[in-house]
Amino acid sequence: DTAVSQTPKYLVTQMGNDKSIKCEQNLGHDTMYWYKQDSKKFLKIMFSYNNKELIINETVPNRFSPKSPDKAHLNLHINSLELGDSAVYFCASSQRTGGLYQPQHFGDGTRLSIL
Amino acid sequence: DQQVKQNSPSLSVQEGRISILNCDYTNSMFDYFLWYKKYPAEGPTFLISISSIKDKNEDGRFTVFLNKSAKHLSLHIVPSQPGDSAVYFCAASQSGSARQLTFGSGTQLTVLP
Repeated sequence: DTAVSQTPKYLVTQMGNDKSIKCEQNLGHDTMYWYKQDSKKFLKIMFSYNNKELIINETVPNRFSPKSPDKAHLNLHINSLELGDSAVYFCASSQRTGGLYQPQHFGDGTRLSIL
Repeated sequence: DQQVKQNSPSLSVQEGRISILNCDYTNSMFDYFLWYKKYPAEGPTFLISISSIKDKNEDGRFTVFLNKSAKHLSLHIVPSQPGDSAVYFCAASQSGSARQLTFGSGTQLTVLP
């Protein structure tokens, strides 16, 4: 009954490879996010989708491409992986209800290590 | 440029005592503030929030105070329990299309038995 699930939990790969991280939420939320937690432990927003539409795209390299096949899924594909991409990536979801803000629910993260 | 700052990377408190975690922000457009708790190898879990129209919100052992003029908020946990040991993140958001969160760097709270 996991609310926000990410796969894989750990990803170790070589520099230059292409990899994907999957995220699914079963909360019925209409907005999903990707955050990156860097070595200094800051969680920074990367992307946000609302009902499959991209609404936030922070200054993230073009090598990162989110894909939302439906509002319950937001996958992250990364091309030509670099050493600096090593981090923990968190997926989150929330529900927009008019003027009310619902807190975001997070997955357990994907630890990406680039060799 | 850090818009949300948690200047104490760690805090140790005796069980049963009060834990006070602090957070400062610089963006006056933030109108909603949240605290998240994070255990190792897990994602952040929502704890408590406060809107900028309030100065206090309480939920059981957890109370968040907001001082808008000082751009400061704090989380009080009383009484502290060993299970409260975790990293606590302060986050803020502003009205907009997606309400993305801007996080502080976290404070590691250790509650000693």
